[in-house]
Amino acid sequence: QLVQSGAEMKKPGSSVKVSCKASGGTFGDYTISWVRQAPGQGLDWMGGITPMFGTVNYAQKFQGRVTITADKSADTVYMEVSSLRSEDSAVYFCARGDSGLYEAMDVWGQGTAVTVSS
Amino acid sequence: DIQMTQSPSSVSASIGDRVAITCRASQGINTYLAWYQQKPGKAPRLLIYAASSLHRGVPSRFSGSGSGTDFTLTISSLQPEDFATYYCQQTNTFPMYTFGQGTRLEIK
Repeated sequence: QLVQSGAEMKKPGSSVKVSCKASGGTFGDYTISWVRQAPGQGLDWMGGITPMFGTVNYAQKFQGRVTITADKSADTVYMEVSSLRSEDSAVYFCARGDSGLYEAMDVWGQGTAVTVSS
Repeated sequence: DIQMTQSPSSVSASIGDRVAITCRASQGINTYLAWYQQKPGKAPRLLIYAASSLHRGVPSRFSGSGSGTDFTLTISSLQPEDFATYYCQQTNTFPMYTFGQGTRLEIK
């Protein structure tokens, strides 16, 4: 199970850091991705990290403003978005990719709503 | 980057109907294709992986087919709980992923 941190309200230009904790286990060699869903819109893959190896990858459109990190000792992955703007208002999900399922995402966090408003 | 295009964008159907949703990749992805169901306010749920493998716990009325660039999700007999939005996702370029834009399945 993946448990995410709670909803956030932020000012434009600030940063937000969302956490995703593996409840009842560790990440093992799974890859944890972050997926953004703006209001009324589809799913947008932002990037992912393999905590065991520390490797991180980002979608081109999110490179530069998004930072994904992991604390293996705490079984927690973090996603930080800097220089927030109104268009970053969205629900952010973390999800686990399973190599045994052709890297499909079989476990999802509950989602974290981020609202950016002055 | 691989682009994923779903059609239709929305579809209306009745209980008991058979529905098919298609997904096309801009280049070949073998069978690295997953399908998800999402209901309002909820996280997506994995239905199908490897183009045609049913994820555990998913009803057998859901099926997937295809390889290369063209894929189909079929629901054989719609149930009330199936009305939701469906997304395809390519995992061929792991660890980089792409989702389709989604297909909204509505009650007629």
